[in-house]
Amino acid sequence: NAGVTQTPKFRVLKTGQSMTLLCAQDMNHEYMYWYRQDPGMGLRLIHYSVGEGTTAKGEVPDGYNVSRLKKQNFLLGLESAAPSQTSVYFCASSHSPGQQNSNQPQHFGDGTRLSIL
Amino acid sequence: AQSVTQPDIHITVSEGASLELRCNYSYGATPYLFWYVQSPGQGLQLLLKYFSGDTLVQGIKGFEAEFKRSQSSFNLRKPSVHWSDAAEYFCAVAPTSYDKVIFGPGTSLSVIP
Repeated sequence: NAGVTQTPKFRVLKTGQSMTLLCAQDMNHEYMYWYRQDPGMGLRLIHYSVGEGTTAKGEVPDGYNVSRLKKQNFLLGLESAAPSQTSVYFCASSHSPGQQNSNQPQHFGDGTRLSIL
Repeated sequence: AQSVTQPDIHITVSEGASLELRCNYSYGATPYLFWYVQSPGQGLQLLLKYFSGDTLVQGIKGFEAEFKRSQSSFNLRKPSVHWSDAAEYFCAVAPTSYDKVIFGPGTSLSVIP
């Protein structure tokens, strides 16, 4: 009964380093999302995916890339980390319109705290 | 443009007192409305949601919210606050239950014993 799992939970990077955040869900959800949370700004959508092999830009996509090679996984990549990307990153997933329980809202992971020095 | 405002950045209440957290939204049609709670170091937990029908919705942990179309508001209430309610509360809107969610900036709640 894991739901949405994010790895790692914490990470410290130096400016210019690259890394990938992993999100895995076991609820057979079609839609997956990556948000970043910054003080006083709530959560802002970075990228999202409406199905395996598809991705789309959200509100703040610059500096990030994503991939959805498998339905259950949604990866968020930082190719060259910058201090402005210091944030808490949340992954979420939800059903699509055609799926059972499609009126249920998004399920969130516990977040990844990322610091860029 | 769609947006969500939560006028109160931080609220402090005494344990046992009543609570109301304000939320206003800007959206062309009636959106789906949510309240989430985030405890320190945790992810977001859904408190309640409004899709249609009765404008007063009941959620978990004794919370309720009232949708007022004329005021574009979806305020969260609890009649008696417990110390464990101290957390960050986020109001959110979406065009559908599964679509991109727009979050408000959050209201931090502190509870005095």
